[in-house]
Amino acid sequence: QVQLQESGPGLVKPSQTLSLICAVSGASITRDGFSWNWIRQSPGKGLEWIGYIFYSGRAYSIPSLKSRLTISLDTSKNLVFLNLTSVTAADTATYYCAREGGYSSLNVWGPGTTVIVSS
Amino acid sequence: DIQMTQSPSSLSASVGDRVTITCRASQGIDGYLHWYQQKPGEAPKLLIYAASSLARGVPSRFSGGGSGTDFALTINSLQPEDLATYFCQQSSSTPRTFGQGTKVEIK
Repeated sequence: QVQLQESGPGLVKPSQTLSLICAVSGASITRDGFSWNWIRQSPGKGLEWIGYIFYSGRAYSIPSLKSRLTISLDTSKNLVFLNLTSVTAADTATYYCAREGGYSSLNVWGPGTTVIVSS
Repeated sequence: DIQMTQSPSSLSASVGDRVTITCRASQGIDGYLHWYQQKPGEAPKLLIYAASSLARGVPSRFSGGGSGTDFALTINSLQPEDLATYFCQQSSSTPRTFGQGTKVEIK
């Protein structure tokens, strides 16, 4: 059974870099055909898909974050990373990682990790 | 980007009622439409994929339909545990986009 678990600092100061980890268990991130996605949800708001990465290394970030967001993999440790630079209060959210599988649906989600940007 | 518009944004229904939520895409997305349920304080969970296929373990009172640009999620015989916000999402193109959500409350 595939499981995802996000982890992060909880609190980040404005202008600093947010670094999150998604630990994948029960499946290898090197398995072809799956992408590893990051979605965020600001307090009381809807879901915002922010990017994904494939095992091949092909990655995509939404244009509004493209200059600040990096998504990467550590295949030896089965980890997916999110790095978001120059954070502001607008980046305060719960961040979820999710696997995109059949028909490109997000069929496995982590429980999420909440990040607050505040001085 | 493909815009996804859900309606209504919220609804209140009684246990046993039939509830329908609609989702419209700004352009055709074939069958790459998925529905998620998010209960309070929890992560979203896949309910329906490819417009009409029930995800594993999802009760049969949930069903989905539609094609092209117009889709619907139906809950037959609403149960108390269906209290949640429901989101549609398209995966026809990148960036993936979600509807704004429909909050379902129990009368």
